[in-house]
Amino acid sequence: GAVVSQHPSWVICKSGTSVKIECRSLDFQATTMFWYRQFPKQSLMLMATSNEGSKATYEQGVEKDKFLINHASLTLSTLTVTSAHPEDSSFYICSAGELAGYNEQFFGPGTRLTVL
Amino acid sequence: GQNIDQPTEMTATEGAIVQINCTYQTSGFNGLFWYQQHAGEAPTFLSYNVLDGLEEKGRFSSFLSRSKGYSYLLLKELQMKDSASYLCAVGSGNTPLVFGKGTRLSVIA
Repeated sequence: GAVVSQHPSWVICKSGTSVKIECRSLDFQATTMFWYRQFPKQSLMLMATSNEGSKATYEQGVEKDKFLINHASLTLSTLTVTSAHPEDSSFYICSAGELAGYNEQFFGPGTRLTVL
Repeated sequence: GQNIDQPTEMTATEGAIVQINCTYQTSGFNGLFWYQQHAGEAPTFLSYNVLDGLEEKGRFSSFLSRSKGYSYLLLKELQMKDSASYLCAVGSGNTPLVFGKGTRLSVIA
């Protein structure tokens, strides 16, 4: 089956610093990847859709300048949390679909971000 | 609009059967997914229904009625490890999956 990896699996950083999270599709090409955020005991919240070779599509209420997304290749998307603050502490999960128009998504293992 | 409803929490006994319902109202439809998510982990795929009827996969089965906008996930012979959140999600073409808020299932001895 399709495998999606994320790196790092967890990160602790100081307030004001930037953190980059990588999402890779290991055995398939993903034109589209998705970034989610999940707070404890809450549901997945879609942050943005990452499109290879073009700008990401952000959901309403998600700051584009704070959460920078780069989909540089068909197997890699990155999410950079800029000037992180304690309220950005969360579980960040990416997912990717294997076939255009077919919605099954394969999730990465997630990255737990803690901002001190 | 997009709306997916599922119960927030359920409790069931080890060895029993539990049914988790999901109703949806979406602008398009080309499949309904169920995912399992353990605390602190990412969701894992359980099932996919695109046609009406029951799809069985071991202890887990999923049912879909497109005319009613309704699905359920059936878990048989419950085990303690089945304690998790179960997410219902609807796909509609090239748009992202729309997820329900999840149902937290607690399996007790």
